[in-house]
Amino acid sequence: DGGITQSPKYLFRKEGQNVTLSCEQNLNHDAMYWYRQDPGQGLRLIYYSQIVNDFQKGDIAEGYSVSREKKESFPLTVTSAQKNPTAFYLCASSIGVQDYGYTFGSGTRLTVV
Amino acid sequence: GENVEQHPSTLSVQEGDSAVIKCTYSDSASNYFPWYKQELGKRPQLIIDIRSNVGEKKDQRIAVTLNKTAKHFSLHITETQPEDSAVYFCAAPHASGGSYIPTFGRGTSLIVHP
Repeated sequence: DGGITQSPKYLFRKEGQNVTLSCEQNLNHDAMYWYRQDPGQGLRLIYYSQIVNDFQKGDIAEGYSVSREKKESFPLTVTSAQKNPTAFYLCASSIGVQDYGYTFGSGTRLTVV
Repeated sequence: GENVEQHPSTLSVQEGDSAVIKCTYSDSASNYFPWYKQELGKRPQLIIDIRSNVGEKKDQRIAVTLNKTAKHFSLHITETQPEDSAVYFCAAPHASGGSYIPTFGRGTSLIVHP
């Protein structure tokens, strides 16, 4: 996965459940991001983190939470407050937040059943 | 925040033709413009990028041009091949919480017919 690994690849959630998506990178990148991808919507930013123990809300943070306890890891929790969680979730990392291209993970497809 | 408009949303060409995808942005402070290619069911991958101190950059069959005055940048693919079929995304950074975070266009689905 080019140094950034997302798991699981597919995830099914029941109504009212919280689920956590994993993202791990071994690229020594400082910045990490979570995007949500829906058909025709492009990539929308959920949360991002520039350094360990710091993260910022993106454009659609409601119903999601993150942590950044280690440089390599940036897990995303989809809470029961997220009313429409079915989507493709992409994690990415970059050397820094400004002026650098992303390396993306292979994604997690979350479906509510 | 940044508004990035990408056109067209779908582009269908014959193999060997050229393809052009255009993006416009609103934040005049933006200075880094990447393009990503996403094949069906796969992750986006960076294919080319340009910084504001140059007007054009080429890499084999792909090129990107930037017009900072008009706030638009374009992806050009020449001699298209079926394997170029994918969704292409542009991005432009915008200021958010003291940092610059890329905002993505909605994507262009390129279909190259053999």
